[in-house]
Amino acid sequence: DAKTTQPPSMDCAEGRAANLPCNHSTISGNEYVYWYRQIHSQGPQYIIHGLKNNETNEMASLIITEDRKSSTLILPHATLRDTAVYYCIVRDIQGAQKLVFGQGTRLTINP
Amino acid sequence: GAVVSQHPSWVICKSGTSVKIECRSLDFQATTMFWYRQFPKQSLMLMATSNEGSKATYEQGVEKDKFLINHASLTLSTLTVTSAHPEDSSFYICSASTGLAGNEQFFGPGTRLTVL
Repeated sequence: DAKTTQPPSMDCAEGRAANLPCNHSTISGNEYVYWYRQIHSQGPQYIIHGLKNNETNEMASLIITEDRKSSTLILPHATLRDTAVYYCIVRDIQGAQKLVFGQGTRLTINP
Repeated sequence: GAVVSQHPSWVICKSGTSVKIECRSLDFQATTMFWYRQFPKQSLMLMATSNEGSKATYEQGVEKDKFLINHASLTLSTLTVTSAHPEDSSFYICSASTGLAGNEQFFGPGTRLTVL
């Protein structure tokens, strides 16, 4: 079973920042928070991951609360191509552990 | 880097036939590969985990004799859907990992299977 809770859908205006929340209140000390997204009829795409510090890369920023029970993925300037289902997943860092996908958040970027 | 390919990208077959789907890691060695399937408007569901040179580990409810997985090399895993039926029609997606701690999985583009 997925260990995360996400809103089923969100809308955001093009050019604005999209903030996608995720609750993972049962996360353990060895588990990272991963974010993937899936554009319609494609395989999932890795976005970012983190343990406890905030992370930023060319795609997004990840803000993890101090107690690590929730996080927010931020797309700073959303474009129409960011319309996708975004999955927040917690995963143990030991070895190639499987990813358990929940229902994710369907993000729609509106022009 | 970290490119995973799948072949074919889509396939249509008659009920009762078998279909083989290939998953390749193009620029890295994948000690572990995962197979998922996704029905319309649903999330990805893990079917099995395969490690190079050993038998695959299947998730509960997935028939190992129906979904044959072979991971004979560090860059190739195959999924064979045997005696396919219309209810097997789905989007099949593979992912690959080096197996090292903390490494993210890289996903293939998926294969759309339609069984008539």
